[in-house]
Amino acid sequence: LAKTTQPISMDSYEGQEVNITCSHNNIATNDYITWYQQFPSQGPRFIIQGYKTKVTNEVASLFIPADRKSSTLSLPRVSLSDTAVYYCLVGDTNFNKFYFGSGTKLNVKP
Amino acid sequence: ETGVTQTPRHLVMGMTNKKSLKCEQHLGHNAMYWYKQSAKKPLELMFVYSLEERVENNSVPSRFSPECPNSSHLFLHLHTLQPEDSALYLCASTPGRDRGGYTFGSGTRLTVV
Repeated sequence: LAKTTQPISMDSYEGQEVNITCSHNNIATNDYITWYQQFPSQGPRFIIQGYKTKVTNEVASLFIPADRKSSTLSLPRVSLSDTAVYYCLVGDTNFNKFYFGSGTKLNVKP
Repeated sequence: ETGVTQTPRHLVMGMTNKKSLKCEQHLGHNAMYWYKQSAKKPLELMFVYSLEERVENNSVPSRFSPECPNSSHLFLHLHTLQPEDSALYLCASTPGRDRGGYTFGSGTRLTVV
């Protein structure tokens, strides 16, 4: 199983761009990289998923270098409501057994 | 609502009680999961069902008993729990193997007294 490593916490201010990097050195060929957001006492919410290069949706961008051993979630112009825990997950190729790490607690300040 | 509905939202039970948590999804997904989230800990994968067959039991004590009668419903039966079992229990579903894209429910906040 590919293990992920993320910073435990990050601080930012409203309006800034936030980049959260995740390391996954043992990623397998068929694995996808997926990011989730979780607010207290709620289930995680899917943000974005990618396999290589760059993926962008209405919420975020995901940058994946050629070796795929890391990925960066980019949140443009964060607001206070983006304060949450962000998880990086790497898929298992046999079954859908995704293991969550500790995530990155993002604190957006006014 | 995310498409995955969990009931009840809150549950308080004594250590000798028997209760069940229910999860329902109408997204056409083939796999369903139970996760446990204790305070200040990562989410712990408990059980995985793929096409109604249990494919993962992640060393969970037998006082937790899952049931998946069909691809849309998942239950977690609880009996003789301990106070340390108090946590947020989350249900999730995915379209199928090899892809991410969990859809989580809002969870059941369980307190064992």
